[in-house]
Amino acid sequence: GDSVTQMEGPVTLSEEAFLTINCTYTATGYPSLFWYVQYPGEGLQLLLKATKADDKGSNKGFEATYRKETTSFHLEKGSVQVSDSAVYFCALSEANFGNEKLTFGTGTRLTIIP
Amino acid sequence: NAGVTQTPKFRVLKTGQSMTLLCAQDMNHEYMYWYRQDPGMGLRLIHYSVGEGTTAKGEVPDGYNVSRLKKQNFLLGLESAAPSQTSVYFCASSSRTGRRHYGYTFGSGTRLTVV
Repeated sequence: GDSVTQMEGPVTLSEEAFLTINCTYTATGYPSLFWYVQYPGEGLQLLLKATKADDKGSNKGFEATYRKETTSFHLEKGSVQVSDSAVYFCALSEANFGNEKLTFGTGTRLTIIP
Repeated sequence: NAGVTQTPKFRVLKTGQSMTLLCAQDMNHEYMYWYRQDPGMGLRLIHYSVGEGTTAKGEVPDGYNVSRLKKQNFLLGLESAAPSQTSVYFCASSSRTGRRHYGYTFGSGTRLTVV
């Protein structure tokens, strides 16, 4: 079945540091890939997505590129801020009719210190 | 504001009590989902619905029932609550164009404690 493996957390960085959170996936078809962010006490929000190979999703300074050859969708940001502290989830959805489910990774907690 | 609304936001139940969590969305989405979130386990799918009047089991359906009588509402029921059902519950809805899924919109969650 489908699965998503995320970098184990927690991750602690200083403000303005470079961020990478690794995500790899296993899927039988051609999935769409997503990163979600969860701020304390809130629900998950869609951060960015990519729906086909070599697509780059970007939002709020975060980027991730859909790499079919390495089955990866790593999240990156060049200079993190304290406000980026949150839990980040990688997810995939198979592009099949009748299969509307998202499969999530276990999440990576990110803390940015001033 | 458009989106997914969950009620209640917090609830404490005694073991054996029943309750219903309500999820409402105003985006005309076909698909709706209930997840539970537990520390170290990410999100696990309880039940989902691909349209009005339909429901299906997810990864962890035992102890829960759902109904989708109206397109905009998706109810999650606990008939006899157990401490193992202490969790944060999230509802989500989604749409699709062609073969591509466009991600979920989540509610803000319901924190349930069973004592």
